[in-house]
Amino acid sequence: GAVVSQHPSWVICKSGTSVKIECRSLDFQATTMFWYRQFPKQSLMLMATSNEGSKATYEQGVEKDKFLINHASLTLSTLTVTSAHPEDSSFYICSALSSYEQYFGPGTRLTVT
Amino acid sequence: RKEVEQDPGPFNVPEGATVAFNCTYSNSASQSFFWYRQDCRKEPKLLMSVYSSGNEDGRFTAQLNRASQYISLLIRDSKLSDSATYLCVVNIPTSGTYKYIFGTGTRLKVLA
Repeated sequence: GAVVSQHPSWVICKSGTSVKIECRSLDFQATTMFWYRQFPKQSLMLMATSNEGSKATYEQGVEKDKFLINHASLTLSTLTVTSAHPEDSSFYICSALSSYEQYFGPGTRLTVT
Repeated sequence: RKEVEQDPGPFNVPEGATVAFNCTYSNSASQSFFWYRQDCRKEPKLLMSVYSSGNEDGRFTAQLNRASQYISLLIRDSKLSDSATYLCVVNIPTSGTYKYIFGTGTRLKVLA
């Protein structure tokens, strides 16, 4: 099946710093990628839809200036958490769309201290 | 009303039991439906797509009821390894494309 990678797999950062997470589709091109966030014992919450070559579409309640998404190529989307705070600590998962099927990355566990 | 709703469980069943989960969705324009499985602290893995005519894959059967706007997953002869959280996913049309919304997930524990 299709493979999606995420980097880093886990990161610890200090409050106020920015963290960039990369999502790559390794063996297919994805014009659309999704970014999700999952808090402990909760389901995945869609944060934004990332479209190659255009601005991301953010879900209600997700601050676009805080969670910067760049989909610069058909195989790479990045999520930057700017000025991170402890409440941003979460599991961030991306997925890439191929023929209406989503392929998920392994996730990035972010801890903000 | 939530876009996609599931009973969070947990469902505790003995090995060999048959268990069924339901998932309701609110947008009648939704086109694609999926069941995913998620193990603790891992990414979701596609279990099966759900087709209008219903589909079966080994011990797993998925069904779609468009009139009542729900999908179901039936697991027969439960194994210990089936213990996980089962997420239903529904695609919702938006601005000329689709977005995929997850249900809250249903936790299943299969007991020896």
